[in-house]
Amino acid sequence: ITLSESGPTLVKPTQTLTLTCTFSGFSLTTSGVGVGWVRQPPGKALEWLTLIYWDDDRRYNPTLRSRLTVTKDTSKNQVVLTMSSMEPVDTATYFCAHRMLGDYPTIVFDSWGQGTVVTVSS
Amino acid sequence: DIQMTQSPSTLSASVGDRVNITCRASQSLSTWVAWYQQKPGKAPKLLIYEATTLATGVPSRFSGSGYGTEFILTINSLQPDDFATYYCQQYVTYLLTFGGGTKVEIK
Repeated sequence: ITLSESGPTLVKPTQTLTLTCTFSGFSLTTSGVGVGWVRQPPGKALEWLTLIYWDDDRRYNPTLRSRLTVTKDTSKNQVVLTMSSMEPVDTATYFCAHRMLGDYPTIVFDSWGQGTVVTVSS
Repeated sequence: DIQMTQSPSTLSASVGDRVNITCRASQSLSTWVAWYQQKPGKAPKLLIYEATTLATGVPSRFSGSGYGTEFILTINSLQPDDFATYYCQQYVTYLLTFGGGTKVEIK
């Protein structure tokens, strides 16, 4: 399993960020499969953002829910994250990750992309 | 939100030492806790899930214990490759949360 994030490295305040996670080694049409996004501000801890499942069930961090949208394109093996109203505090490394298969409520991530650094600055 | 509090935040140890990292939750998690290792500039790596189950390919010197609100990650005989930052994560609710991290440094 491999995942790779892509998108802009610099966005201006108030803009919308769009990141793409391109993956291989699994399919988002397989029952139980999910892809999540996690971010990490410089020198700080990890923060979970969202998770999308094979059946299009989507879960969001409630504190960021109004700003986040996650979608999937199974034909391209991609998951897209959009985050609106970006501010300097959103400066972070953004990771996408594969949810380890398992029964509810197992939501842990067993494969990760390398991460993409996003800076929010005017 | 469930708060995950890790201690210590930094730990100095030598190769061969046994180290314990603690994670305390603000409410009961049963065994729904995972541990990750992260090295500078790299993505986290899953070590343990369901509090005690070793992820595939993880060396047996790593072990996890705990139930409810207190969990421990133990590294037996610390190796040079183990100097990194470790995070706990709870998944009893859909607001997944991580601990603040414990950096294991060379003494």
